[in-house]
Amino acid sequence: DAKTTQPNSMESNEEEPVHLPCNHSTISGTDYIHWYRQLPSQGPEYVIHGLTSNVNNRMASLAIAEDRKSSTLILHRATLRDAAVYYCILIDSIGGANSKLTFGKGITLSVRP
Amino acid sequence: DAMVIQNPRYQVTQFGKPVTLSCSQTLNHNVMYWYQQKSSQAPKLLFHYYDKDFNNEADTPDNFQSRRPNTSFCFLDIRSPGLGDAAMYLCATSRKLLNIQYFGAGTRLSVL
Repeated sequence: DAKTTQPNSMESNEEEPVHLPCNHSTISGTDYIHWYRQLPSQGPEYVIHGLTSNVNNRMASLAIAEDRKSSTLILHRATLRDAAVYYCILIDSIGGANSKLTFGKGITLSVRP
Repeated sequence: DAMVIQNPRYQVTQFGKPVTLSCSQTLNHNVMYWYQQKSSQAPKLLFHYYDKDFNNEADTPDNFQSRRPNTSFCFLDIRSPGLGDAAMYLCATSRKLLNIQYFGAGTRLSVL
């Protein structure tokens, strides 16, 4: 199973950029990199996903290494509402056992006012 | 506007007393999922429905069952809750299996 490794936690200051790393050295060619986040007492929320190229949306940017063995979720200006657990998840586009959301421990982001 | 609605937000039941949690969606998605999230742990998939086809995860206890009477609703039935079943139960939907999942706010179950 392709797996991801994330630091346990990270702290950031409000209104500063945040870079959340994720390692996935055993990623396969058909694995998409997905990021979800879970705010306190809420269900997880989709953030962004990508395959090879960097991706941007209204919430964040996803930078994917050229060898695809790592990626970074970028929050351009952290707010207090961004404090959450961020999960980096690989999903196999072909289907099968690796096509579901398998949550790891995630990284807990704290944002200082 | 909530798109995946879970009721109730908090549920208390007694040890061994059957309990049902409900989930409804306004997205008209084909797939509905149930996850269990214990305290300080990551969500864990219990099962999912693709339309009317039920797919159980291999390690989901028999104590947990699900019903999907129509596209909009899905229920999680716990036949005989034990203390270890106290958790947050999350419902999610997606248009198809590999698509983005939309989660409800969850139901926190306490077992006394």
